[in-house]
Amino acid sequence: KNEVEQSPQNLTAQEGEFITINCSYSVGISALHWLQQHPGGGIVSLFMLSSGKKKHGRLIATINIQEKHSSLHITASHPRDSAVYICAVYSGGGADGLTFGKGTHLIIQP
Amino acid sequence: KAGVTQTPRYLIKTRGQQVTLSCSPISGHRSVSWYQQTPGQGLQFLFEYFSETQRNKGNFPGRFSGRQFSNSRSEMNVSTLELGDSALYLCASSLDGRGDNQPQHFGDGTRLSIL
Repeated sequence: KNEVEQSPQNLTAQEGEFITINCSYSVGISALHWLQQHPGGGIVSLFMLSSGKKKHGRLIATINIQEKHSSLHITASHPRDSAVYICAVYSGGGADGLTFGKGTHLIIQP
Repeated sequence: KAGVTQTPRYLIKTRGQQVTLSCSPISGHRSVSWYQQTPGQGLQFLFEYFSETQRNKGNFPGRFSGRQFSNSRSEMNVSTLELGDSALYLCASSLDGRGDNQPQHFGDGTRLSIL
């Protein structure tokens, strides 16, 4: 069973700061997902990646398969980025679906 | 294109009762996965349905069950409710359920409270 660890658990920053959220997993995977959850519960898929780096607007996600580690970066952070960011891994084979980290609660203060 | 729709949004039940939650996937998506989210355990995989068949199952007791209809809509049932079943239940749909070639699209969830 894959163990997914996220850090930090909580992060408060000022508007405009560069944000980094980390995710480590214990067993090889075929893909990693970054998800965003706003208060109220709805989850939005931000990235799905299996190698390298992806960028969407101010968000950047990277993954290092050898080190079993991924990072989510937010540039020029804004209060609307305040949310819980969740890392999830897919090990293939489908037996367990997605395995999730506990999430990083991010607050961006104006 | 309509997103994933879950009903009801909120539900209050008492211990021992049973409950049925509904999920309508994005049109054309054949896979529906269900997840439970609690403050203590976070998000956990319940099961996945594809073409009316349960294809994968997480580590939950048999009180948790589901089904999928020919139009891909899915229902989840929890029998003999316990206090610990209080949670946000999320469903997600995708074309084929594989987590390594497409993202999953999540509904807003059903918040279940057990009194």
